[in-house]
Amino acid sequence: DIVMTQSPDSLAVSLGERATINCKSSQSVLYSSNNKNYLAWYQQKPGQTPKLLIYWASTRESGVPDRFSGSGSGTDFTLTISSLQAEDVAIYYCQQYYNDWTFGQGTKVEIK
Amino acid sequence: EVQLVESGGGLVQPGGSLRLSCAVSGFTFSSYWMTWVRQAPGKGLEWVATIKQDGSEKYYVDSVKGRFTLSRDNAKNSLYLQMNSLRADDTAVYYCARPYYDILTGHFTYFDYWGQGTLVTVSS
Repeated sequence: DIVMTQSPDSLAVSLGERATINCKSSQSVLYSSNNKNYLAWYQQKPGQTPKLLIYWASTRESGVPDRFSGSGSGTDFTLTISSLQAEDVAIYYCQQYYNDWTFGQGTKVEIK
Repeated sequence: EVQLVESGGGLVQPGGSLRLSCAVSGFTFSSYWMTWVRQAPGKGLEWVATIKQDGSEKYYVDSVKGRFTLSRDNAKNSLYLQMNSLRADDTAVYYCARPYYDILTGHFTYFDYWGQGTLVTVSS
């Protein structure tokens, strides 16, 4: 099984500041035949269903604000919120879909 | 509009059984793999099981193998999760979700649509 580990578990960021979440997989999720990273990011606001933000590690889902960006390759990935807004308070999960599906433990983002 | 609506959750005693359903609309259900994901209270997301379009392949997380059975009825656009020998650590909100089929890679990938979830509580 591929284990996904996120860091930090939580972070508090001032409004308008940058938030950075890291995700590490226990093995590479880069599929060599198509050079794609099988990695997605989800946002879950309190009491709501998870929402897809990013897929293929860096492709933003339709309708997702461009302050959200994903980067990384192989085993190390990052989700960046360039300018934190109040509505971004949520738990963020990374997910690999290279071999079955596994999620990271989540990172809680709060306002400082 | 794509909709996934779960039902069947509730309170059950340890060792008991429950059958969850997921009614789907807004897309061609028979063309997609489908998945259950659960979330224990205050915890993260855990993939539980996935079923192929025709039901011929099924995959389960180790912790539910032999206890949970996934099935589907394409004529009724419905997905089911039969849960037996339930334990306290099965307590969770259970979501059905659709893995997106990526035409370019030929793979079922990230989950682009989720239901609202149904709560299963295993307690005496």
